[in-house]
Amino acid sequence: TQLLEQSPQFLSIQEGENLTVYCNSSSVFSSLQWYRQEPGEGPVLLVTVVTGGEVKKLKRLTFQFGDARKDSSLHITAAQPGDTDLYLCAGAVSGTYKYIFGTGTRLKVLA
Amino acid sequence: DAGITQSPRYKITETGRQVTLMCHQTWSHSYMFWYRQDLGHGLRLIYYSAAADITDKGEVPDGYVVSRSKTENFPLTLESATRSQTSVYFCASGYSYEQYFGPGTRLTVT
Repeated sequence: TQLLEQSPQFLSIQEGENLTVYCNSSSVFSSLQWYRQEPGEGPVLLVTVVTGGEVKKLKRLTFQFGDARKDSSLHITAAQPGDTDLYLCAGAVSGTYKYIFGTGTRLKVLA
Repeated sequence: DAGITQSPRYKITETGRQVTLMCHQTWSHSYMFWYRQDLGHGLRLIYYSAAADITDKGEVPDGYVVSRSKTENFPLTLESATRSQTSVYFCASGYSYEQYFGPGTRLTVT
């Protein structure tokens, strides 16, 4: 069974601080996605990374896919209260469109 | 409007009853997925479909049945609901390593 370990599970920081969320596995993924989920809503896709070593930026968010395509990170610069939410990573099992999700990081940014 | 919809949004049913959750997308995405989200387990894949009439099991398929006769619809049926199937169910559609989620159905089995 493939697993995707996400850390930390909970993160409470002050506005303006930087943070990094990690997503790790012993398995290789064809791609890795990051989602954001508001309470009571479905996850919303932030980014998909496909190539090993790939880095993508979305405003204050930077996403990186590990060289071996087994891990990924999400870095938020100068966090804002509006960033408060559940962040999820999901990997596509190699050669398929079958996805494994991490258990999520619940981020709270205090004003 | 284009998008993905789920119905009902909330459902309470009794143990042993059959219940069907509906999912409809207007993007003509080839792939569709059903997940359940539970505290401590995150999102787990129940079934997915690569195209009409092509379905495959995910991580937790037991007790569920799916069908996909049309590209835009992907219903999920609980044949005989159990309390352990109390959860929030999300449908998603997508292509090329992108998934777009519906708003979810909160199902309670009493």
